Amino acid sequence: ETGVTQTPRHLVMGMTNKKSLKCEQHLGHNAMYWYKQSAKKPLELMFVYNFKEQTENNSVPSRFSPECPNSSHLFLHLHTLQPEDSALYLCASRAQGPNTEAFFGQGTRLTVV
Amino acid sequence: AQTVTQSQPEMSVQEAETVTLSCTYDTSENNYYLFWYKQPPSRQMILVIRQEAYKQQNATENRFSVNFQKAAKSFSLKISDSQLGDTAMYFCAFMKLGAGSYQLTFGKGTKLSVIP
Repeated sequence: ETGVTQTPRHLVMGMTNKKSLKCEQHLGHNAMYWYKQSAKKPLELMFVYNFKEQTENNSVPSRFSPECPNSSHLFLHLHTLQPEDSALYLCASRAQGPNTEAFFGQGTRLTVV
Repeated sequence: AQTVTQSQPEMSVQEAETVTLSCTYDTSENNYYLFWYKQPPSRQMILVIRQEAYKQQNATENRFSVNFQKAAKSFSLKISDSQLGDTAMYFCAFMKLGAGSYQLTFGKGTKLSVIP
């Protein structure tokens, strides 16, 4: 266990549904990240939050909407997704500073039907 | 922008043998970190080893060591005495230093299978 917890582990949703992914850490980290992991592609950084402020939005479509209510929680709200959005969504957190590793959650396996 | 290339999509190694996974990267930065992460079937990414670019000495962590060639922009991972639990996807990652959010850029990964 890395201390980063993601729920749900698996999610199947229709293209017209609205759902949310949750990430939680109580490691005292101030930076949190959403990554998308698709087969045979590098992990794609989606969003970065530092001290609850979004500092990066890596050209992610608006059907993905992040929310960071506090330093311990990160959400990814999903609506009107496409089948190509099916992937493993990974959350990570880090303490501030360069010499700190990122801790990852186990991911949410999302299938859009 | 930085890119990370892992040219070996899949590899296999006999238990107790040694295997080397390759990674090259492209950057104009001088200060950065390099990482190897392991993702077992449980899906949780775990840090294996890290290397600071300003350090010439190669990092080692028990059975894991790296061969860092800064001029060649190469960062390979050597696993000695391979164990069945080493079966996983291995990702090479780059992080540039400086103001900002310290983003990790990952390669596509190498799937390693340890054969009994």
